[in-house]
Amino acid sequence: AQSVTQPDIHITVSEGASLELRCNYSYGATPYLFWYVQSPGQGLQLLLKYFSGDTLVQGIKGFEAEFKRSQSSFNLRKPSVHWSDAAEYFCAVGDDKIIFGKGTRLHILP
Amino acid sequence: NAGVMQNPRHLVRRRGQEARLRCSPMKGHSHVYWYRQLPEEGLKFMVYLQKENIIDESGMPKERFSAEFPKEGPSILRIQQVVRGDSAAYFCAARGLNTEAFFGQGTRLTVV
Repeated sequence: AQSVTQPDIHITVSEGASLELRCNYSYGATPYLFWYVQSPGQGLQLLLKYFSGDTLVQGIKGFEAEFKRSQSSFNLRKPSVHWSDAAEYFCAVGDDKIIFGKGTRLHILP
Repeated sequence: NAGVMQNPRHLVRRRGQEARLRCSPMKGHSHVYWYRQLPEEGLKFMVYLQKENIIDESGMPKERFSAEFPKEGPSILRIQQVVRGDSAAYFCAARGLNTEAFFGQGTRLTVV
């Protein structure tokens, strides 16, 4: 069965520090992988996606993610976070049906 | 949001009433998904539709919930005889063939 695990419910980092949000998935074939961001009271915005090809994908707002098939992971990274990055981040997997993880809420310390 | 419009943004219903949530994807996006989000939880898949067809409704409750995506007009998620536990944010996502899904702003349903 398809599933997505985001092991960290909350993460707190200082502004300017680097960030890595973890995502592990279970999927029967080569997956399509996504990261979305949700600000409070808002819908979801796509940060980046992996369909095929280069396993390091670049997204908007300075985010990147690396697909590691051997680890069934698709971790999201940013070298230096900004206060405006505080939000909830969702990893998702699927092609026809897209399954979401439970999300990681990112808090930024000034 | 690439033109995915959901309305209303907020909906208040009394217990026992019907709730109708609408999703209008942009032209050419014929794949529509409905998700439910409860506080502090992720998005739970409900149903996947293509024009006039339900592809996957494995996440839909067996009773009171239905969805459609007619040839003309928006996709509708209908909840009959609402109960307090139906209070949640309901998101619609839409995509074309082999593209990523774009989300609407959601409808926040409150059952009083």
